Amino acid sequence: EAGVVQSPRYKIIEKKQPVAFWCNPISGHNTLYWYLQNLGQGPELLIRYENEEAVDDSQLPKDRFSAERLKGVDSTLKIQPAELGDSAVYLCASSLGWGDEQFFGPGTRLTVL
Amino acid sequence: EDQVTQSPEALRLQEGESSSLNCSYTVSGLRGLFWYRQDPGKGPEFLFTLYSAGEEKEKERLKATLTKKESFLHITAPKPEDSATYLCAVQAGSSASKIIFGSGTRLSIRP
Repeated sequence: EAGVVQSPRYKIIEKKQPVAFWCNPISGHNTLYWYLQNLGQGPELLIRYENEEAVDDSQLPKDRFSAERLKGVDSTLKIQPAELGDSAVYLCASSLGWGDEQFFGPGTRLTVL
Repeated sequence: EDQVTQSPEALRLQEGESSSLNCSYTVSGLRGLFWYRQDPGKGPEFLFTLYSAGEEKEKERLKATLTKKESFLHITAPKPEDSATYLCAVQAGSSASKIIFGSGTRLSIRP
């Protein structure tokens, strides 16, 4: 069974540019998460979806970050415009339901210059 | 304020030298505590879920335990391939709406 797929794996952009990350969760998983992970830190939840509904986006900086999960499957996380402080690894995870074990993708390492 | 703290930040052991990693938490309404392993350049990989004080789970050389204030991940006779960062995460809140990760313990096992 395929795991969580993320692309791109690496992205280097200049500040003020837009960037988008894509995630394909494990088939049948209703819950999808986007996390931000800084070096030496644990993941921080940005947004959680139950099917296509964003049920927890309290930690998402809504002035520059947006996310969508069309048809309750794939998801896209966008930053516009990017700032230097956005440099981090962006992880996507999925689970059968909220509270179940999460399966993580390999992450996208973003560098903002 | 809800908080999850892991200690030590880093741990270096000799192969075969058993030890324990700690995850202490102060949250309201614990719904579950998770342990994950993360290798460099990869996403976290699930190890265990614990739901109530006194619960224990084992997998190969790893054993996780839970009390009302903390969890321990015991590593017995570790091997170099056990080297990784170990993360704990707590699901909490009256509606179980929060998930908070600790900063992790970087474990290094020398042959």
